[in-house]
Amino acid sequence: QKEVEQNSGPLSVPEGAIASLNCTYSDRGSQSFFWYRQYSGKSPELIMFIYSNGDKEDGRFTAQLNKASQYVSLLIRDSQPSDSATYLCAVSTSNTGKLIFGQGTTLQVKP
Amino acid sequence: DTEVTQTPKHLVMGMTNKKSLKCEQHMGHRAMYWYKQKAKKPPELMFVYSYEKLSINESVPSRFSPECPNSSLLNLHLHALQPEDSALYLCASSQDQYEGAGTEAFFGQGTRLTVV
Repeated sequence: QKEVEQNSGPLSVPEGAIASLNCTYSDRGSQSFFWYRQYSGKSPELIMFIYSNGDKEDGRFTAQLNKASQYVSLLIRDSQPSDSATYLCAVSTSNTGKLIFGQGTTLQVKP
Repeated sequence: DTEVTQTPKHLVMGMTNKKSLKCEQHMGHRAMYWYKQKAKKPPELMFVYSYEKLSINESVPSRFSPECPNSSLLNLHLHALQPEDSALYLCASSQDQYEGAGTEAFFGQGTRLTVV
């Protein structure tokens, strides 16, 4: 079992729709969860982080964390073509500070 | 300001060359990281420095040698690399290394390395 799992996609949504990206992790002791956006040929850009169970909203982005289910998700409302990118889920493993990435989900937003 | 600056942006080197990658941040972050990313793969952790001391080495071959001269700078010295070492090398920094608030890592733009 991989430490951090994501569906590789591609996930295709029409412009203006809600895109839902999901991630599961195996280390039950993990405390820190991150979502990065990576455009082709560019470096990862931090877009959301969450440490507590529940929802965290920032503009069009909402991160959701459920530690009991070991599940973290990212919702993108009013998706735009400029949101088309690979979204990387990252989890900081307990007590080591290592940031472990999932394989990434490719999102395509079609005009 | 969440800027991490890496130089050079691109590097082509021969297998017998010695080169260095440089990374700089002025956010007062005390943890700095080197990652390697191959095409269509996620970043893989190589090294972590915390308070200028090497805290994690992910069993990286000795042809990669990290150095942290001070709290703002991180270098990666390269020697006798192989073509399979060609990748995007990413530097990142965070306020702190361990769990909780302050561990958000910000990445530089990367150095695209080609070994010929």
